[in-house]
Amino acid sequence: TQLLEQSPQFLSIQEGENLTVYCNSSSVFSSLQWYRQEPGEGPVLLVTVVTGGEVKKLKRLTFQFGDARKDSSLHITAAQPGDTGLYLCAGDGDAGGTSYGKLTFGQGTILTVHP
Amino acid sequence: DTGVSQDPRHKITKRGQNVTFRCDPISEHNRLYWYRQTLGQGPEFLTYFQNEAQLEKSRLLSDRFSAERPKGSFSTLEIQRTEQGDSAMYLCASSSRRFTIYFGEGSWLTVV
Repeated sequence: TQLLEQSPQFLSIQEGENLTVYCNSSSVFSSLQWYRQEPGEGPVLLVTVVTGGEVKKLKRLTFQFGDARKDSSLHITAAQPGDTGLYLCAGDGDAGGTSYGKLTFGQGTILTVHP
Repeated sequence: DTGVSQDPRHKITKRGQNVTFRCDPISEHNRLYWYRQTLGQGPEFLTYFQNEAQLEKSRLLSDRFSAERPKGSFSTLEIQRTEQGDSAMYLCASSSRRFTIYFGEGSWLTVV
């Protein structure tokens, strides 16, 4: 059974601070995705990382995929109240890559950014 | 691109009743997925279709759950004899290629 452990589970910070969310697994995934989810809505895809060691930037968000494709991190610089939400990491399929879209999600990190 | 559409958005039902959710994927997306999410947890995979074929079902999908995608377009998820433990948000998602999957806004089910 593939499992993803996400930490921290809760994060409450002040506007302008930096933060990092971690996503760790003992399994290898064909890709890893990060989502943001607002209350009562479905998850919205932020980024997909595929290659071990890959780094992707999306404005103030930086995503890294571990060399062994088992772990990932999300770093937010100068957080803003609009960043508040639930952040989810999800591993896609298995190393063979045939069952794509069958996502294994972490428990999520609830981020609150105070003005 | 109108996005993944789910209906109804909210459903309150009495224990023992049957409920059905509908999902309309993004046009021409050949893969369609169902997930379930409870409060404080990430979504859990239930099942997926490629066109009209149901290719995989999770152990979470008990005999009371059935999903169909009869013409390879929209899909329905039916829960028979609902139980309080079925209360959750049921998410539908679709994709046409690897690494990009789009979720709908979800259907909230409350069993009282």
